This record gives sequence, structure tokens and C-alpha cells, in this order.
Amino acid sequence: EPEVTQTPSHQVTQMGQEVILRCVPISNHLYFYWYRQILGQKVEFLVSFYNNEISEKSEIFDDQFSVERPDGSNFTLKIRSTKLEDSAMYFCASSELGQGPYEQYFGPGTRLTVT
Amino acid sequence: GNSVTQMEGPVTLSEEAFLTINCTYTATGYPSLFWYVQYPGEGLQLLLKATKADDKGSNKGFEATYRKETTSFHLEKGSVQVSDSAVYFCALSGATGGFKTIFGAGTRLFVKA
Repeated sequence: EPEVTQTPSHQVTQMGQEVILRCVPISNHLYFYWYRQILGQKVEFLVSFYNNEISEKSEIFDDQFSVERPDGSNFTLKIRSTKLEDSAMYFCASSELGQGPYEQYFGPGTRLTVT
Repeated sequence: GNSVTQMEGPVTLSEEAFLTINCTYTATGYPSLFWYVQYPGEGLQLLLKATKADDKGSNKGFEATYRKETTSFHLEKGSVQVSDSAVYFCALSGATGGFKTIFGAGTRLFVKA
């Protein structure tokens, strides 16, 4: 069964450094998303991406964040200057436009630790 | 705005007990409803879904019915196992205003042997 993959599984970085989290969505999917989950808290929406542009973003997704689909398979989340409070699990998801009502398939997550 | 509220945990049950985790939602339009499960140290797995009113989603002995009149989507299982210990998230997507998935806070379930 097709699945969403994410790399790395765990990233440790120092405060102020840039990080790029990578995702490979399911190949025929057209909508892509990033969510985050701070330890012990709920899963929060960050951004959705369609047709090479952001379609929706949350208040969390400020100027420090950016997303990109650099080629036909990868979808990345960049944090320009990490803060301690960016430590969280980041989930990528994708959905096929028109398939079932809006079911999103989630990747296994990248645990980001900012020290 | 659109939101999901689910019962606070943790919920602790003995093996073979009956499980109910309550979930209610607020949404405009006609959202789809989901239950996701997160096992310790792992990502999110879709457990079941329902796409319209009165639909029943089911998987692995878990069930939930989309109740529009009470805006609820309670998760039930007749006989839990130790392996069901996890965090369960109720969620909705497809409400008016976008495709994002909105999650409840999660309910941690502990099942004792």
C-alpha cells in the first residue's frame, strides 16, 4: 500500500539554526500538508499546499516557516531560525483531490529537538 | 470556528472491558469525521472514518457513528485488549473553509491485563 514517508525520523539542532524536514507524499496525491504536535499536546495544522502554492496556513506558520515542492516527489518544510518552542513532532500528510471525502494520509513524523 | 472536543483522559480499563471515548464537533458545512490512533513513539494511523450523517465507521473491533443531530462521533469497542493502549484522536476535515484536518486533544487509553 502506498505511504507517505518522512526524513529524518529525528533531527536535533541548535537554537537559531535552519532545518529542513522532508516528505515524500503518495505519488498521485495533489494536496500536501504539514502538522505539528508538541509533546503531549494536540496535533495542530500548519499549512496546506496545492498547485505549487500555499492554499491555507495557520497562525503558527509565520515568516520563519516556508514550504516547497522542489521536484516532482519531495515536499519540504523549512524553519529558518529555530526556537526552543519549535521542538515538536512534525507530520506530513497528503490527499488525492477528489478521493473519498478529504481523507489525508499521514507520514510517521519527524521529531525535531531544538537545544 | 470548526472544532473537536473529546473526553479527557487518561482512561484506564481492564482487559475485555467496554470502551467509550466521547467526541463532539462544531463545524459548518458537511465534514468527514475520523478517529486516529497513535501508539507510543509512533505516528498517526487512521483507525476509522465516516463521511456523512448516520454512517458507521468500523475497524479492528472499533466503531463510531456519525450523529449529526447530536454532533457526535463517539468511539466504542466491546472488549479492549492490552494492545489497544494508545492515544486516540477524534478529527474532522472538509468543513467549510478548507481541507485541513482539525484534531481533538487526544485521549490516552491504558488497558491493564
